Amino acid sequence: GAGVSQSPSNKVTEKGKDVELRCDPISGHTALYWYRQSLGQGLEFLIYFQGNSAPDKSGLPSDRFSAERTGGSVSTLTIQRTQQEDSAVYLCASSLERQYYGYTFGSGTRLTVV
Amino acid sequence: SQQGEEDPQALSIQEGENATMNCSYKTSINNLQWYRQNSGRGLVHLILIRSNEREKHSGRLRVTLDTSKKSSSLLITASRAADTASYFCATVPGGTSGSRLTFGEGTQLTVNP
Repeated sequence: GAGVSQSPSNKVTEKGKDVELRCDPISGHTALYWYRQSLGQGLEFLIYFQGNSAPDKSGLPSDRFSAERTGGSVSTLTIQRTQQEDSAVYLCASSLERQYYGYTFGSGTRLTVV
Repeated sequence: SQQGEEDPQALSIQEGENATMNCSYKTSINNLQWYRQNSGRGLVHLILIRSNEREKHSGRLRVTLDTSKKSSSLLITASRAADTASYFCATVPGGTSGSRLTFGEGTQLTVNP
């Protein structure tokens, strides 16, 4: 597609439930990133995929968070046993190649844990 | 901790005036990028400046980079109400530290008609 697509755009879930957030990057973009943003804050890095290399998971806040990228394209971020502090906007971005290109962001998924 | 720190945190100006936002960072960089965010959702890439560049222009945007001071500035000339948004600087580390962007906390710009 023309841009990075994220779904759902909004998700309300009960504390303790698992959620899956999906990201469809721009076709041909080899790098894919997940960030989250709490209200009024900057972006917090979560995980980074680059081609067939092992992902950089260093930003995942706990073992309840995991992500995969299938076939070098679509990515799914899974949060298990959600907590209220997980409430945030989760943003996905993709880029052509490392370092010298800007990221294209999706519109994000607003997650609310009640 | 955030690599980039924007200054000021909030800026309110009148339409037609220029807006200047500053960004400081701590470690060596490969490049620095500026993004705009409307309504707390997706970010839009504005401009990228490499570590060996000192100034870049794009339309009404002018970005400078001073690697000796580890700082950058974003100037928006002849501002419009539609420029109202949050602006973030983000850095890509130098060397082989990977290419992920580290974002600052952002500057909230309000342009009053």
